Amino acid sequence: DAGITQSPRHKVTETGTPVTLRCHQTENHRYMYWYRQDPGHGLRLIHYSYGVKDTDKGEVSDGYSVSRSKTEDFLLTLESATSSQTSVYFCAISESDREGQPQHFGDGTRLSIL
Amino acid sequence: AQRVTQPEKLLSVFKGAPVELKCNYSYSGSPELFWYVQYSRQRLQLLLRHISRESIKGFTADLNKGETSFHLKKPFAQEEDSAMYYCALSGQDNFNKFYFGSGTKLNVKP
Repeated sequence: DAGITQSPRHKVTETGTPVTLRCHQTENHRYMYWYRQDPGHGLRLIHYSYGVKDTDKGEVSDGYSVSRSKTEDFLLTLESATSSQTSVYFCAISESDREGQPQHFGDGTRLSIL
Repeated sequence: AQRVTQPEKLLSVFKGAPVELKCNYSYSGSPELFWYVQYSRQRLQLLLRHISRESIKGFTADLNKGETSFHLKKPFAQEEDSAMYYCALSGQDNFNKFYFGSGTKLNVKP
């Protein structure tokens, strides 16, 4: 398995509080991604990064921000959590953007916003 | 716009029966297509990618550009195949962004 660690694995918090999820990789891959997984929607891309301090929005980025100060860490922040952000969050990495390169996923963070 | 459609939310078959999980895509260029499998509450694992034309765990998938499909097939289902299956597309836009279908839950009954 690719060396990807997500923390925390589970979190319960209240509406309006800030939340930060961490993705750590030991593969030295350039590309990192955050997805949310919801029933009936599959996985949807929130934000992605193509290098240190290089990030961009995905299809469901509203309410989320990210930071990548080191190659190995990609942080996802919910500035003011809402109940609609209750989901399972997956981090993924990719070695390159060459055609046919797979993404490899972490174990996920199960986040509940009450 | 890129789109991946998996029309079946749930597919139930008996052990030993053939399985076909459908995936259709919409993409203007030449896509790269993948199948991922997720066992109960685990991480997504790469099952197949069309570019390598492999057979993993008895599963195969053929890219049909005319029908814009990438259906996943297995001739004889096993109980351990029960899982969630996701079809994904990577376009030639940039940054290897993936677009996922909504997933099909495969239930193999004994």
